[in-house]
Amino acid sequence: GQNIDQPTEMTATEGAIVQINCTYQTSGFNGLFWYQQHAGEAPTFLSYNVLDGLEEKGRFSSFLSRSKGYSYLLLKELQMKDSASYLCAAMDSNYQLIWGAGTKLIIKP
Amino acid sequence: IAGITQAPTSQILAAGRRMTLRCTQDMRHNAMYWYRQDLGLGLRLIHYSNTAGTTGKGEVPDGYSVSRANTDDFPLTLASAVPSQTSVYFCASSRLAGSDNEQFFGPGTRLTVL
Repeated sequence: GQNIDQPTEMTATEGAIVQINCTYQTSGFNGLFWYQQHAGEAPTFLSYNVLDGLEEKGRFSSFLSRSKGYSYLLLKELQMKDSASYLCAAMDSNYQLIWGAGTKLIIKP
Repeated sequence: IAGITQAPTSQILAAGRRMTLRCTQDMRHNAMYWYRQDLGLGLRLIHYSNTAGTTGKGEVPDGYSVSRANTDDFPLTLASAVPSQTSVYFCASSRLAGSDNEQFFGPGTRLTVL
C-alpha cells in the first residue's frame, strides 16, 4: 500500500532550527512536496524535490533521499508565524499526490 | 477573481439532501482536484480532472460526482449526503497534471451533514 509517515506534533523555540521528517512508500515516485497550512486556511506550496539532495529557499530547506524513501523540511530562524501544520506529499506513478496527516509545529517564545 | 475560489464557505446539510460545492479558478490551469481533509488524516483525493472534458476517480470517490464542462469550473456534487461526508473540502488546481506542477488550493468549504 501507499503510506506517508510524519510526526504528529513538534515544539520549537523562536529563533531556533527545527527539522520535520517524512518517510514515504508509494507505487512509483514522481517527486516529494511540502506544503504549509495555517489553522483554518488552505495549504500553500513550500517546496518540491525529485532528485536526491538539499534544496534551499530562504529560511526553508528540503532534503530528499530516494533510496531511503525519506525527506525532511528544515526551518531556520523560527518565527512565531511559522506556527502551522506542515504537510508532506509524495507523487505516485499516476501523478497523484499521497498526503501525510501533517506535522503541527508549535513555536514558543 | 484572483486565483481559486470556492462556495459556499460553510454549510450545514440534512442527511439525504443533494449538495453541489462550487470551485472556480481564473489561472487557466488545465488540472483540477477535489480533496477532503479530516482530522488526523491526510488530504484524500476524491476526483480529479487533467483537462476540460475529462475526469477521473481518486482515492475516495464513492458518493461524489464531478463535471468539467470548461477550464475554469469544477463542481463537486453529493447526490445524497451522509454524516460520514462531514469534512472540509478543498478544491485545487495546477497548470498541468504531473510531476513538478504545484497545486494551488482554494479556501475550502466546511460541510456538516446531520
